[in-house]
Amino acid sequence: AQSVTQPDIHITVSEGASLELRCNYSYGATPYLFWYVQSPGQGLQLLLKYFSGDTLVQGIKGFEAEFKRSQSSFNLRKPSVHWSDAAEYFCAVAPATSGTYKYIFGTGTRLKVLA
Amino acid sequence: ETGVTQSPTHLIKTRGQQVTLRCSSQSGHNTVSWYQQALGQGPQFIFQYYREEENGRGNFPPRFSGLQFPNYSSELNVNALELDDSALYLCASSRGGTSVDTQYFGPGTRLTVL
Repeated sequence: AQSVTQPDIHITVSEGASLELRCNYSYGATPYLFWYVQSPGQGLQLLLKYFSGDTLVQGIKGFEAEFKRSQSSFNLRKPSVHWSDAAEYFCAVAPATSGTYKYIFGTGTRLKVLA
Repeated sequence: ETGVTQSPTHLIKTRGQQVTLRCSSQSGHNTVSWYQQALGQGPQFIFQYYREEENGRGNFPPRFSGLQFPNYSSELNVNALELDDSALYLCASSRGGTSVDTQYFGPGTRLTVL
């Protein structure tokens, strides 16, 4: 079955510390991969996406993610967290084929940032 | 450029009632997808509309239905509401109906079913 696992429900880091959010997927073939962020009362905002090519992807707000095919992982990283990064983060996959793109989201990781 | 907007922001209904949620897509976008996000969960794909036609559906019963209008705005209708339908309903618009087309999400409609 196709699924996305985000093993960490909550993560707390101090402002200025580095961050890594984990994402593992189960899919028939290598899918397209996405990270979204959701702030309270807001919709989802795309941070970055991976379709093919370089496995290290740069996104907005200083985030990056690395695709590791052998581990079926797409972990999100940031070298230095800011208080404004506190939000919920969702990893998602979609089929790398034409036709309907049915995004499958993970259950999310809620990030808390300590001043 | 106007982003994706949804109305209403919040809604309270009782079991058995029907509800209509609305979404205005971003300018230049012809595709709208709807998602249900239950508390503590990630969004789940309900269906997608591409140029006024349903272009795919997730694992939701037929009482979840939709429409897309010529201006590419969209409605989500839910009949015979159940308590489990309480959730945040998100719509997302994009320039096309494929995975490479970035989806832009609206802020959502919070539906509470009592």
